[in-house]
Amino acid sequence: DQQVKQNSPSLSVQEGRISILNCDYTNSMFDYFLWYKKYPAEGPTFLISISSIKDKNEDGRFTVFLNKSAKHLSLHIVPSQPGDSAVYFCAASRSNDYKLSFGAGTTVTVRA
Amino acid sequence: DTGVSQNPRHKITKRGQNVTFRCDPISEHNRLYWYRQTLGQGPEFLTYFQNEAQLEKSRLLSDRFSAERPKGSFSTLEIQRTEQGDSAMYLCASSSMAGLLYEQYFGPGTRLTVT
Repeated sequence: DQQVKQNSPSLSVQEGRISILNCDYTNSMFDYFLWYKKYPAEGPTFLISISSIKDKNEDGRFTVFLNKSAKHLSLHIVPSQPGDSAVYFCAASRSNDYKLSFGAGTTVTVRA
Repeated sequence: DTGVSQNPRHKITKRGQNVTFRCDPISEHNRLYWYRQTLGQGPEFLTYFQNEAQLEKSRLLSDRFSAERPKGSFSTLEIQRTEQGDSAMYLCASSSMAGLLYEQYFGPGTRLTVT
């Protein structure tokens, strides 16, 4: 069963604008959430994470928001740059085993 | 720090043959994970090791799959009697108990094509 869902397979955004990627999860035992970025022919690269005890984490142009009651998180990229064009995966983990459950990914295309 | 490496990067094999993949984690990372990714999907957990001990195997890992991590360093994933459904990207990741265990660092993957 898919415990982490990314319902938007693709997103197109103009350079300089904000990209918002969404992710929903079903397992209330998840206590850590991560975003990974993936370029073709490469493995996923860790981008940013958030613990379930927080509702926001910011790192430069990237901010992740967590709404535990809605079991929803989002990644904001502002401003979007051409190098941000990639597939973004949302992942979730529990502190008893740390294995990651991934969503299906969202392909972001930043237009010049 | 050279990152996680995986070999080979690509493997084409005929149905029924055995294949073996290798993963070299970041040095001193004591946790090592294997995932499988098919087209249009995110990576799916297969198994993980803490040092040389294999702590969990997913039900996705049939009896034809076996993984080892001798001496807690590199790991191998073997698939026996390959089937066309085994065609996928096999990803390895590692993490450190000295750092944040949640944050796994991935290798470039091995793409398997079974003809």
